[in-house]
Amino acid sequence: AQKITQTQPGMFVQEKEAVTLDCTYDTSDPSYGLFWYKQPSSGEMIFLIYQGSYDQQNATEGRYSLNFQKARKSANLVISASQLGDSAMYFCAMRELNYGGSQGNLIFGKGTKLSVKP
Amino acid sequence: DTGVSQDPRHKITKRGQNVTFRCDPISEHNRLYWYRQTLGQGPEFLTYFQNEAQLEKSRLLSDRFSAERPKGSFSTLEIQRTEQGDSAMYLCASSLSPKTGLYAEAFFGQGTRLTVV
Repeated sequence: AQKITQTQPGMFVQEKEAVTLDCTYDTSDPSYGLFWYKQPSSGEMIFLIYQGSYDQQNATEGRYSLNFQKARKSANLVISASQLGDSAMYFCAMRELNYGGSQGNLIFGKGTKLSVKP
Repeated sequence: DTGVSQDPRHKITKRGQNVTFRCDPISEHNRLYWYRQTLGQGPEFLTYFQNEAQLEKSRLLSDRFSAERPKGSFSTLEIQRTEQGDSAMYLCASSLSPKTGLYAEAFFGQGTRLTVV
């Protein structure tokens, strides 16, 4: 079963408007972290925001916020006041603690391509 | 330090040839990861090192793949007898060990795009 599901292959948003990118996850590990990365056409993965499974409040970083609903196992990314430079692929990822304590790899979703229209 | 760098950025090779990629992580980072990304997919984990020790390998890492980090600094990923299915972007990332919880921001390089013809 997929551990990270991003159901929106592509999204369009008007410049200056807000957009929500969906992410649901599946894990039986009570300790995990959720990450969002941006990948522009240049290929580099750029870290945006992090949410820990035990964090009580939703994470925010500038124009990015993470809508964390633990019971629903969702971790949606909200981008406020979209800019043309926000056009890119966006990946949701999870790291589980239960790797013998090694805290290994990130598990990524398939991504959502966001296009910001002027 | 300008971040994680990977070399080469692009590689075209004939099927059956061996290729080697290099990754230079951020200097103070003790963890180094390799991921593979095919078209339309998210990155898939291949392997990771803590210092010079290879701590985890994915099932994706067949016996044709080998990775090293000899002095705990740069790393190489070698693919022997390349196949067309190896065509992908190979991404390297580095991070510090998380001091608490699960938070350890991984910084990625720009990747090496491999095309096997």
